[in-house]
Amino acid sequence: DIQMTQSPSSLSASVGDRLTITCRASQSISSNLNWYQQKPGKAPKLLIYAASSLQSGVPSRFSGSGSGTDFTLTISSLQPEDFATYYCQQSYSTLPFTFGPGTKVDFK
Amino acid sequence: QIHLQESGPGLVKPSETLSLTCTVSGVSISPYYWSWIRQPPGKGLEWIGYIYYTGSTNYNPSLKSRVTISVDTSKNQFSLRLSSVTAADTAVYYCARLHSGYEDWFDPWGQGTLVTVSS
Repeated sequence: DIQMTQSPSSLSASVGDRLTITCRASQSISSNLNWYQQKPGKAPKLLIYAASSLQSGVPSRFSGSGSGTDFTLTISSLQPEDFATYYCQQSYSTLPFTFGPGTKVDFK
Repeated sequence: QIHLQESGPGLVKPSETLSLTCTVSGVSISPYYWSWIRQPPGKGLEWIGYIYYTGSTNYNPSLKSRVTISVDTSKNQFSLRLSSVTAADTAVYYCARLHSGYEDWFDPWGQGTLVTVSS
């Protein structure tokens, strides 16, 4: 299996902050990397697919970059509705698809 | 607008079979891929498997011996069966559409349903 790691596992931030979350794959996954946002009690929501493509309807303050093994999700100016847990997911190998352990973003 | 809704028992006894159904509305289940993903309470996400509208499947090797995913195109539904469950199978179970091509991703997702394994 391709193992996914994320850092940090949690962070505290304020409205207006610029945030960067890192995701690392245990082997090269090209650009086959997606990001999801999950709020408590809700299903995950797709933010970014194929490493850097913004899903329709997702605010432009979210962006993704990277290829190979190292990827980042950036929120340019944190908004109150952005406090959530963020997961990366690789789709390079479908046996199996794997997710990172998540990064929880909460209020400072 | 595409909507997915999971349904099924919220409580299953150990060693029995967990059965869930995902009802898709707003789009035909053909010609897409559909998936099940689960999340134990307070933990991360685990992909269970996917099915193509033709019935072709692919399962997580860690669960393959216990999982069956099926599709009913006439009802616009697909289903999950997980046999010989234990407490470790307690989780919120989500269904989702798998966008499959050169790149793959899950979108949209159902709201999820909590299944507890307990006697």
